[in-house]
Amino acid sequence: EDKVVQSPLSLVVHEGDTVTLNCSYEVTNFRSLLWYKQEKKAPTFLFMLTSSGIEKKSGRLSSILDKKELFSILNITATQTGDSAIYLCAVPPGGTSYGKLTFGQGTILTVHP
Amino acid sequence: DTAVSQTPKYLVTQMGNDKSIKCEQNLGHDTMYWYKQDSKKFLKIMFSYNNKELIINETVPNRFSPKSPDKAHLNLHINSLELGDSAVYFCASSQGFQGGGNTIYFGEGSWLTVV
Repeated sequence: EDKVVQSPLSLVVHEGDTVTLNCSYEVTNFRSLLWYKQEKKAPTFLFMLTSSGIEKKSGRLSSILDKKELFSILNITATQTGDSAIYLCAVPPGGTSYGKLTFGQGTILTVHP
Repeated sequence: DTAVSQTPKYLVTQMGNDKSIKCEQNLGHDTMYWYKQDSKKFLKIMFSYNNKELIINETVPNRFSPKSPDKAHLNLHINSLELGDSAVYFCASSQGFQGGGNTIYFGEGSWLTVV
């Protein structure tokens, strides 16, 4: 069974801090790893990573994948209160299974002013 | 226009009742899902339909029955509601299966509270 573990489970920082969120995975026939941000409503897509060592970047957020060590990190620099959310990591199955994303338990990030 | 819309957004009901949550997507996707997020924030898939055909049916009590009248709709009916059914239920859709470079789009969730 596919498995995704995120750490830390929660994180409290002040504005301007840099945070690193971790996601480790075990999946048969790895295809990709996805990061989502969930505020009060729907999870919103951040990144999809398929190749090791290639950093994906969007503003202050960046993410990288290590397929050898089976983990990914999500970095947020110069955090703002609007970054407060649950950050979810997920892996889709290998093969042709439809949409059975396996999610980690999420990291709850709280950014104080 | 909301891409994936669910109704109702909030639902409070008594144990033993039967309730339905409706979901519609206007993205033209062929695959729809129901996910459950429990109090610990764990998102777990419940069902997946592709072109109205049930593809994934996880270990979910028989009291939960999805229905897909067409590709754009996937409704969730829950019989004999129990306290443990309290959760946020997310509908989602995608074009094709995940992992092929496609993005899954989530609805805003339906907050179900069973009292």
